[in-house]
This record gives sequence, C-alpha cells and structure tokens, in this order.
Amino acid sequence: EAGVAQSPRYKIIEKRQSVAFWCNPISGHATLYWYQQILGQGPKLLIQFQNNGVVDDSQLPKDRFSAERLKGVDSTLKIQPAKLEDSAVYLCASSHGQSTGELFFGEGSRLTVL
Amino acid sequence: AQSVTQLDSQVPVFEEAPVELRCNYSSSVSVYLFWYVQYPNQGLQLLLKYLSGSTLVESINGFEAEFNKSQTSFHLRKPSVHISDTAEYFCAVTPARGYQKVTFGTGTKLQVIP
Repeated sequence: EAGVAQSPRYKIIEKRQSVAFWCNPISGHATLYWYQQILGQGPKLLIQFQNNGVVDDSQLPKDRFSAERLKGVDSTLKIQPAKLEDSAVYLCASSHGQSTGELFFGEGSRLTVL
Repeated sequence: AQSVTQLDSQVPVFEEAPVELRCNYSSSVSVYLFWYVQYPNQGLQLLLKYLSGSTLVESINGFEAEFNKSQTSFHLRKPSVHISDTAEYFCAVTPARGYQKVTFGTGTKLQVIP
C-alpha cells in the first residue's frame, strides 16, 4: 500500500512570508497528525485530527499556524507569517485509529526561514 | 500528562559491539511504548512496540526492548550492531486507554563506527 505522502520536501522562505504543507495519509487511516521536529529535538505534536475533526491542537501556535483536513482525507498545514524559530521539519503521520498508537510517517517537509 | 526521557543524545559504538539506548517514561496511567527509527533523510518508522503481554519485545532486525514497570523504563538493546544501524532512535509513549496522544523523546543518535 502507498505510504504517507508529503509535499514539498524542502521549502526556503523569508520571515513574515507564508508557507503551506500538504499531506495525504494512508488510505483508510482515520487519524492524522502534524508534528514539528526542530533540529536536535524530538517530534512535537501540533495537531491531531480524527476524520475531519480536531482532537488535539493544544500545542498549535494558533496566531500563525492553521491546519485543516477537508473530507477527512488530505490535510494542509499553513504558517502565516513565518518566524525564524519555525525552521524545522514538519512531519505528517496517520494511523488506523486510536487502538494501538502506532503511527505511519511521511518523509517530512523541511522548512528553512531566513 | 506523560513524558519521555532519553538521556543519551549520541551513542558511538564500534561495529559488532553491543549497544543499549536508554528510555524512561513518566505517566499516571497505563501506557503503550514504542521505539521508532529515523534513517538519514527518511521519515520515522516503527521499530518495535509494547502493548501488553510479554515484557520483552523484539524487532525483525535484532533489536529488543524490555518494559520494566517498576523502573518505568523501556531500554533498547542489540547484542551486535551493524553499520546499517546508524540512525536516530526515538522512544515514544501513549496512554493505553482513552485519547491516545503519542509523546516522543528527544532521540538518541546511534553512530556505528567501522
């Protein structure tokens, strides 16, 4: 089966610009996650969707970050305006549901903010 | 709230030598535990998991981890490492019941020296 697809793989922008990342989860996976992985740190959950509803967005900086999952499939994560500290890899993951907690990750989108 | 501690940020080890990567967790409820591996320029992938039953779990490539409830640990071991094991390893935890938020540790970079 196809894995989790993410794009773009790399993005370089200047501070105060905007950027969007796209994720297509594994077919049939109800739960979708966006994690932020800053260099030298572990992945930090930004937002978790169950189908097209938000389960947890407690660590999402809502003044600049937004995410949506239309029709319970693809998802888009947007940053506007970007700050230097947003430089990180943005990881998308999906899972069957909430039965075992096993996540399937995409390759990530690396953002550099200059 | 739950947390994961990986005290060793980097572990250099000679090829064919044994290795242990340490992981300790904190949680007020029963948990599932995971080790994920991230090879260079790739996404995270599940290495092994503990859900219930035997406290010793194994992966297909020779790694094993033991759940120790009294010490709240889930250390990862391999008796003889290969060059191909060079990667970053992340320990993760999620509550066994209810809303499952997967929390990751900061990761340990395993560098296998020829």
